[in-house]
Amino acid sequence: EVQLVESGGGLVKPGGSLRLSCEASGFSFSTYTMNWLRQAPGRGLEWVSSISSRSTFIYYGDSVKGRFTISRDNSKNSLYLQMDSLRAEDTAVYYCAREGGFVHFDYWGLGTLVIVSS
Amino acid sequence: DIQMTQSPSSLSASVGDRVTITCQASQDISNSLNWYQQKPGKAPKLLIYDASNLETGVPSRFSGGGSGTDFSFTISSLQPEDIATYYCQHYDNLPPYIFGQGTKLELK
Repeated sequence: EVQLVESGGGLVKPGGSLRLSCEASGFSFSTYTMNWLRQAPGRGLEWVSSISSRSTFIYYGDSVKGRFTISRDNSKNSLYLQMDSLRAEDTAVYYCAREGGFVHFDYWGLGTLVIVSS
Repeated sequence: DIQMTQSPSSLSASVGDRVTITCQASQDISNSLNWYQQKPGKAPKLLIYDASNLETGVPSRFSGGGSGTDFSFTISSLQPEDIATYYCQHYDNLPPYIFGQGTKLELK
């Protein structure tokens, strides 16, 4: 069974940093492109970042470019999102999702909540 | 960037009703469109990919259609468990991957 479990969310002050993790199981993690997406409270879905299976191709949304860094460790079946210079508008539930095809997200984690507030 | 306009933003329907949601792209996107269902407090779930392909395990009352700029998502006979918010999502050769604003489906 495919499982994605995010962790690392919490309350952080504006300008602060946080590192999210996503532990994958039940599939060959090293062969899939992985993504981070987010959903602000009461709002819609926003794609955040993508990393190819061997970390060759990395992309970011304009709203996080230069502040967030996506990475992965295939030996640990884990995906990461380093979030720096956090802003109030980064407050959201952050999901990791597997890219099952070109391009759809076929498995999602339960999400981890990030709150940026003073 | 391509813009996706999803409508309606909310919809009230009765059990057994046929429900249709539309998604319009600002330019031709061929069939590069997916549909997701999100129940309150849960992660989104993929229902339809490439405009009209039903994801494995998804009930056949769900369907998708369209190509180019105009797309539709239909529930042929609404069930109580279908109450959720539905999103369309466009993809291209490269990111960003754009979601529609969502349609909140409620029971009448």
